[in-house]
Amino acid sequence: AQSVSQHNHHVILSEAASLELGCNYSYGGTVNLFWYVQYPGQHLQLLLKYFSGDPLVKGIKGFEAEFIKSKFSFNLRKPSVQWSDTAEYFCAVNSNFNKFYFGSGTKLNVKP
Amino acid sequence: DTEVTQTPKHLVMGMTNKKSLKCEQHMGHRAMYWYKQKAKKPPELMFVYSYEKLSINESVPSRFSPECPNSSLLNLHLHALQPEDSALYLCASSQTGTGRTGELFFGEGSRLTVL
Repeated sequence: AQSVSQHNHHVILSEAASLELGCNYSYGGTVNLFWYVQYPGQHLQLLLKYFSGDPLVKGIKGFEAEFIKSKFSFNLRKPSVQWSDTAEYFCAVNSNFNKFYFGSGTKLNVKP
Repeated sequence: DTEVTQTPKHLVMGMTNKKSLKCEQHMGHRAMYWYKQKAKKPPELMFVYSYEKLSINESVPSRFSPECPNSSLLNLHLHALQPEDSALYLCASSQTGTGRTGELFFGEGSRLTVL
């Protein structure tokens, strides 16, 4: 079975600090990769996605992620976080048959 | 605003009640999903409908019964639930019905409490 691992469960940063959240998956075939964000009290929203092509993908709100196939990784980055980035971040993988697997999530707290 | 609408937003029910959760999308998506999310946990897949047919049931207990009346609507019928079934139930849709289907679009969820 597939699995998605997010190594950081809780991250606390000050504003303007750089962010990198790790995501690794276990699946040998072709995958689609996603990062979703869940702001407090809100629904899950797509931050960015990778289907094919350039492994460095840019998403909304200044986020980007890099797909490294050899490492089965899809880490999320942002050069300078803001207080409004406080949220929970989920990595997800979709292979076949409509199955999306989610990581356990990383809760980010940005101190103003 | 989300384009996937779920009702009700909150539901409290007893263990002997029968209730339903509803989900609607008008994006022309052909796959619809039910996920369950407990506090501080990731969403867990329950059911997938692809082209209005049930394609995935992740060994969900029969007290949860999904229904897809048409391509825009998805219901989850609840009967004889247990307190441990209390959770946020998320509906999602995706564009195509098979294979790697693009991103999921989520509703805001229905928060269910079973007493």
